[in-house]
Amino acid sequence: QQQVKQSPQSLIVQKGGISIINCAYENTAFDYFPWYQQFPGKGPALLIAIRPDVSEKKEGRFTISFNKSAKQFSLHIMDSQPGDSATYFCAASDSNYQLIWGAGTKLIIKP
Amino acid sequence: DAGVIQSPRHEVTEMGQEVTLRCKPISGHNSLFWYRQTMMRGLELLIYFNNNVPIDDSGMPEDRFSAKMPNASFSTLKIQPSEPRDSAVYFCASSPLAGFTDTQYFGPGTRLTVL
Repeated sequence: QQQVKQSPQSLIVQKGGISIINCAYENTAFDYFPWYQQFPGKGPALLIAIRPDVSEKKEGRFTISFNKSAKQFSLHIMDSQPGDSATYFCAASDSNYQLIWGAGTKLIIKP
Repeated sequence: DAGVIQSPRHEVTEMGQEVTLRCKPISGHNSLFWYRQTMMRGLELLIYFNNNVPIDDSGMPEDRFSAKMPNASFSTLKIQPSEPRDSAVYFCASSPLAGFTDTQYFGPGTRLTVL
């Protein structure tokens, strides 16, 4: 019940295209859903996060879409750039429980 | 701000040796986390400190692992004795507030190889 399932495992997108990564969770108590970006040799860094009181949050080219009834959330990267090539992790938590991490998606943006 | 500082960045040791990883969190942050990252198991939380007190150590694999936070600016993760299956990247992260629903700032990690 504590799992966060992330897909796809890897993704190749052409420059300028839209990258979409999906996550599903089971625990309805989760109320914090961050996305982290990790470049090779670096630690993960928070990209964007959402709480369930809104269905969408946008920061620049990055958007989280949240579907509470389906227990799913996704990351959309618009106008994908080669510099966006990284591994992306979704995660979920509530105030009393540790972050549960997805398995990660390796994104490659082809120039 | 220098961010979270970890040392060493790389460590190669032989099975049975003691390994100590070090972390300096961001000044003013109240929470500190140690994670382990492997291809097989992804990111795993090992231990969580709040105000220098261990709150959740359920992720510590076994008695060979121990972590301390003697003050707000320093933490160590020790493995004694080390085994090849401990090979991984170990991350330290800090967060301004207590709990898990605030931004975690990760260090660059320590890549540990146990031969």
